[in-house]
Amino acid sequence: DAKTTQPPSMDCAEGRAANLPCNHSTISGNEYVYWYRQIHSQGPQYIIHGLKNNETNEMASLIITEDRKSSTLILPHATLRDTAVYYCIGLSGSARQLTFGSGTQLTVLP
Amino acid sequence: DSGVTQTPKHLITATGQRVTLRCSPRSGDLSVYWYQQSLDQGLQFLIQYYNGEERAKGNILERFSAQQFPDLHSELNLSSLELGDSALYFCASTLGAISYNEQFFGPGTRLTVL
Repeated sequence: DAKTTQPPSMDCAEGRAANLPCNHSTISGNEYVYWYRQIHSQGPQYIIHGLKNNETNEMASLIITEDRKSSTLILPHATLRDTAVYYCIGLSGSARQLTFGSGTQLTVLP
Repeated sequence: DSGVTQTPKHLITATGQRVTLRCSPRSGDLSVYWYQQSLDQGLQFLIQYYNGEERAKGNILERFSAQQFPDLHSELNLSSLELGDSALYFCASTLGAISYNEQFFGPGTRLTVL
């Protein structure tokens, strides 16, 4: 699975968009980009995933660059409850386990 | 609520002891994954079972073992416990054997070894 690089921490004002970057320059053609988050020692929670195209669901949007070497997770209107560690994971279709890196600690400020 | 349940929530035990952690997957899910989260190692995959059979192994110590029962619940057995085994243990479940579907995580069991 691709190695991913994320900034260790970010702040965002409540109500503003939170843009979390992820670099995955070694990602291969069949590897998806997944995002999970973990709120203070709770079980990780799936957010979104994509392969090539941008994706949107009720939680977030995922923008993947055309060369697929990086992506951005967008939380359109961050709330205090979005404060969490966000993990970007590269995962092939045949993989079975998630490989978590250090993630980005997002703090939403009032 | 993910639909995955784990018991107990907290466990405090002494070095050298043995404990069993239990996980019930979401209704209908056949695959169970175990992860360990410690302060120094982060979240690490331990082992996966699918429909009763072991399917993938990660950084699981020989002192640890797991199994999945016919009713699909899974147990993680940790023996000869050491201080360094203190961690959060999560299980997750998916419908199929391959994890490109989202994994649903339980609330975790916090193990403290004194």
